[in-house]
Amino acid sequence: AQTVTQSQPEMSVQEAETVTLSCTYDTSESNYYLFWYKQPPSRQMILVIRQEAYKQQNATENRFSVNFQKAAKSFSLKISDSQLGDTAMYFCAFMNTNAGKSTFGDGTTLTVKP
Amino acid sequence: AAGVIQSPRHLIKEKRETATLKCYPIPRHDTVYWYQQGPGQDPQFLISFYEKMQSDKGSIPDRFSAQQFSDYHSELNMSSLELGDSALYFCASSLFGRSEAFFGQGTRLTVV
Repeated sequence: AQTVTQSQPEMSVQEAETVTLSCTYDTSESNYYLFWYKQPPSRQMILVIRQEAYKQQNATENRFSVNFQKAAKSFSLKISDSQLGDTAMYFCAFMNTNAGKSTFGDGTTLTVKP
Repeated sequence: AAGVIQSPRHLIKEKRETATLKCYPIPRHDTVYWYQQGPGQDPQFLISFYEKMQSDKGSIPDRFSAQQFSDYHSELNMSSLELGDSALYFCASSLFGRSEAFFGQGTRLTVV
């Protein structure tokens, strides 16, 4: 079974600064996907970024980028130029390419301060 | 673009009652997933369907059942509701073989 660990229950950052959220996972699979989801107070689950395990290049999506270290089973999210609208709960998730279901970490509550 | 539609958005039921949650996937998506998210918790996988057949099963109580219909919409049936069933229930859909699953806005179930 896969496990996903987010060791930072809460984080805060000043507006316009950069913040990094940590995520580690454990799996015996070689092919899988990793995701970061954002859940704002509306509770909508929004996909922020995804990474295919077979790709060495780190995924980027505008102000969001990841540092994917496959050997270390680490998948951190960097948010640059933080905005007030980035305030949300962020979940790291793992998906086995064969199973399709996702396993989520416990989440990190990010607060962006003006 | 069309998204995953869940209905109802909010539902209040009494203990021991029955509830039915509906999910309409994105057009052409053939796979549906159900997740339960308790207060302050991460989403927990309940069950999934591919082409109207159950494809995987997680921590779904025996009091719950689900199915996917010929038009690919799915329903989660919950019986003998307990206070602990109060949660946000998400449905997500995807196209088989693709990694991205798109989430609906969720149904907030409150059992009183």
